[in-house]
Amino acid sequence: DAKTTQPTSMDCAEGRAANLPCNHSTISGNEYVYWYRQIHSQGPQYIIHGLKNNETNEMASLIITEDRKSSTLILPHATLRDTAVYYCIVRGHNYGQNFVFGPGTRLSVLP
Amino acid sequence: SQTIHQWPATLVQPVGSPLSLECTVEGTSNPNLYWYRQAAGRGLQLLFYSIGIDQISSEVPQNLSASRPQDRQFILSSKKLLLSDSGFYLCAWSVAGTLRSNQPQHFGDGTRLSIL
Repeated sequence: DAKTTQPTSMDCAEGRAANLPCNHSTISGNEYVYWYRQIHSQGPQYIIHGLKNNETNEMASLIITEDRKSSTLILPHATLRDTAVYYCIVRGHNYGQNFVFGPGTRLSVLP
Repeated sequence: SQTIHQWPATLVQPVGSPLSLECTVEGTSNPNLYWYRQAAGRGLQLLFYSIGIDQISSEVPQNLSASRPQDRQFILSSKKLLLSDSGFYLCAWSVAGTLRSNQPQHFGDGTRLSIL
């Protein structure tokens, strides 16, 4: 019962921007969009999250459409170390709600 | 800054043996703590979460149990392991009181458990 849809895999050239899309057409008003990534054999790493405004931090930018039905994670200058599986997660803040990780997008940054 | 530690990193155990995985968090007080399992090629499944000492909630019925004997210590246990318990076990924490908020969870590097 995943709430998000992501492409299975993507490639990006090193040094270029990586734009990872996510569809969440059934998102409700109190649900946030979170992005994590997982490098092989490590735990998921938190990247960024947002509700409706675009967000930016030292790792990435998050662009959320006005209707909130989709979003894009942007890695402005991808490096080889950004090769990982990227997860887009929609989560509300009701008591007991947890992070449900789907299959994600496997991003390969190519030299 | 806050850090989370899990050990061991890898573990190979025979069927029917007991299990104890430990997770500790530093740099924060009264965190919410979580145990997840990730089967090969699949997403994460939440197993347990805790909002305080000796306060454990189980998300799915299973062969495992969790305990929180200290504020920043979370232990995953089993009395008799099954083959189906193999997987990648992840501990996570979030800021206290955030089951009702938007704050993210932060994960450890996991324990890869193989049952033979």
